[in-house]
Amino acid sequence: QKEVEQNSGPLSVPEGAIASLNCTYSDRGSQSFFWYRQYSGKSPELIMSIYSNGDKEDGRFTAQLNKASQYVSLLIRDSQPSDSATYLCAVNQAGTALIFGKGTTLSVSS
Amino acid sequence: DGGITQSPKYLFRKEGQNVTLSCEQNLNHDAMYWYRQDPGQGLRLIYYSQIVNDFQKGDIAEGYSVSREKKESFPLTVTSAQKNPTAFYLCASSSLGTRGGGEQFFGPGTRLTVL
Repeated sequence: QKEVEQNSGPLSVPEGAIASLNCTYSDRGSQSFFWYRQYSGKSPELIMSIYSNGDKEDGRFTAQLNKASQYVSLLIRDSQPSDSATYLCAVNQAGTALIFGKGTTLSVSS
Repeated sequence: DGGITQSPKYLFRKEGQNVTLSCEQNLNHDAMYWYRQDPGQGLRLIYYSQIVNDFQKGDIAEGYSVSREKKESFPLTVTSAQKNPTAFYLCASSSLGTRGGGEQFFGPGTRLTVL
């Protein structure tokens, strides 16, 4: 059974801090890794994708991938109250559907 | 204006009824997906299709059926055989790139409630 694990949270950080969200996956053949943000009552929105080991930065977001450790993370710098949401980690192999974790709820307090 | 549309936004079903959820995309994506999300849970795959007239069961296909007669459309029917259909239903689409099927983009969702 292929699995993606995330801490459910809630993860609480003060405004302006760095939020760190973590994800582990069981399938060593996974090739693509994604982070989605989902506000309450809304559909998931893709915020980051990463395919190679290392870091990928996009604005305040940095995705980190370590295939040897089967670990992917998302860092949010200068966290804002508008970042309060559930963050879903998803992975897949070529030609297969995404496998999602259950998500980590982030709460940013002002 | 490219995107994925789902209708209706809210749907109420009486027990024993079949209902069909619509999903349309104009992104020219080859692959389309249906997920179900229950409160506090992640997304669970119901069905997916990578080409017209072909589709595969996901993890929780029992009680659901789909069709893919056009590239743009992937309707989901929730049948009376689905014992607990109250959930948030999400449709997604993606291109079929070399890297694992590509990024998936989601529609706004349909919230189904069984009365």
